[in-house]
Amino acid sequence: GENVEQHPSTLSVQEGDSAVIKCTYSDSASNYFPWYKQELGKRPQLIIDIRSNVGEKKDQRIAVTLNKTAKHFSLHITETQPEDSAVYFCAASSSTGNQFYFGTGTSLTVIP
Amino acid sequence: DTAVSQTPKYLVTQMGNDKSIKCEQNLGHDTMYWYKQDSKKFLKIMFSYNNKELIINETVPNRFSPKSPDKAHLNLHINSLELGDSAVYFCASSQVFSSGNTIYFGEGSWLTVV
Repeated sequence: GENVEQHPSTLSVQEGDSAVIKCTYSDSASNYFPWYKQELGKRPQLIIDIRSNVGEKKDQRIAVTLNKTAKHFSLHITETQPEDSAVYFCAASSSTGNQFYFGTGTSLTVIP
Repeated sequence: DTAVSQTPKYLVTQMGNDKSIKCEQNLGHDTMYWYKQDSKKFLKIMFSYNNKELIINETVPNRFSPKSPDKAHLNLHINSLELGDSAVYFCASSQVFSSGNTIYFGEGSWLTVV
């Protein structure tokens, strides 16, 4: 089955700096890679996703890149703000099955 | 008009008891899941159902039994609760498209076993 690894497990940045979270996956059949943000006491919520036919996607201050050859994808948050503090999860999914495999999460703290 | 709703949100119970968590989605999705999130925040898949049929059953004790009366509902029953069952349980649903699928989570059920 799929194995998704995520790094780092914790990340602290100064407000205004950029944050990068990286994930790798093992199953070449995976073709959909969403990112979720989970605030304290809340549910994980989708913030951005990328499909395997695209190398990069951007939505305001967040962007995701995908390298299919190397089987890794990354989340980039620019101009970080305190409200970006949360746990972020990457995931990999295949269109051939109803299966999502989540990374182990990154706890991001943005220091004002 | 909550998309994925689960009840109860908080549950405190004694060891050895049996409890159930209910989940309903109004998104018309074919697939529903149960995830367990422990104190380390790992999101671990427990079960996945597609159109009422079990398709994923990860290594979960037999004390956990999911039931899907229809594709909009997936309930989780837990027998003989143990201290280690304390966690947040998230129900979720998704719909498979050729280009991939997006999973939506419920608000979570905080289970504390004392």
